[in-house]
Amino acid sequence: KQEVTQIPAALSVPEGENLVLNCSFTDSAIYNLQWFRQDPGKGLTSLLLIQSSQREQTSGRLNASLDKSSGRSTLYIAASQPGDSATYLCAPADSSYKLIFGSGTRLLVRP
Amino acid sequence: GAVVSQHPSRVICKSGTSVKIECRSLDFQATTMFWYRQFPKKSLMLMATSNEGSKATYEQGVEKDKFLINHASLTLSTLTVTSAHPEDSSFYICSARDPGLAGGTDTQYFGPGTRLTVL
Repeated sequence: KQEVTQIPAALSVPEGENLVLNCSFTDSAIYNLQWFRQDPGKGLTSLLLIQSSQREQTSGRLNASLDKSSGRSTLYIAASQPGDSATYLCAPADSSYKLIFGSGTRLLVRP
Repeated sequence: GAVVSQHPSRVICKSGTSVKIECRSLDFQATTMFWYRQFPKKSLMLMATSNEGSKATYEQGVEKDKFLINHASLTLSTLTVTSAHPEDSSFYICSARDPGLAGGTDTQYFGPGTRLTVL
């Protein structure tokens, strides 16, 4: 059974800092891995999707890496802004496209 | 990106009533949709996989007679919480899989969620 762990659980940083959010998963037989953002009381916004054959994906200030063999993914946020404050969720997908979510990292970027 | 809608966004009902939640993919056909449940300050828990034209597949521990799922078309799946009780109060989120047939990437798009409160 896939288990997903995200570290840290919460993070508070001043504006402008570069951040690294970590995700680890126990079953390396994944189809792809997605990073999501969730604002309080809202649904999910997909940030980045990495296919199992890929090592990283980039979108603007976000960069996600994937090391499938070691069961790890990281989300790098450059030059953080207060608008980045949210909960970030990591979710690997299995071959039936089921997503298993980590418990998330709650990020607060202080002005 | 693709859009998935949910209706209603919020519902309050009395204990014992049934509540239907709709999930629609607005600009793509989704052969597979998923239903998740999220408790306050917790992560999403997969409840079931909904495949168009066939029975839903439920995750271990999820009562299929309690949470009825119907996927009658390629753009609509419904979740009915039958005889709802206060412990069913939660945030329900659906997702729809876009297989990327139009040249895009196989990915899931999420609805905005439905907050259910059972009194």
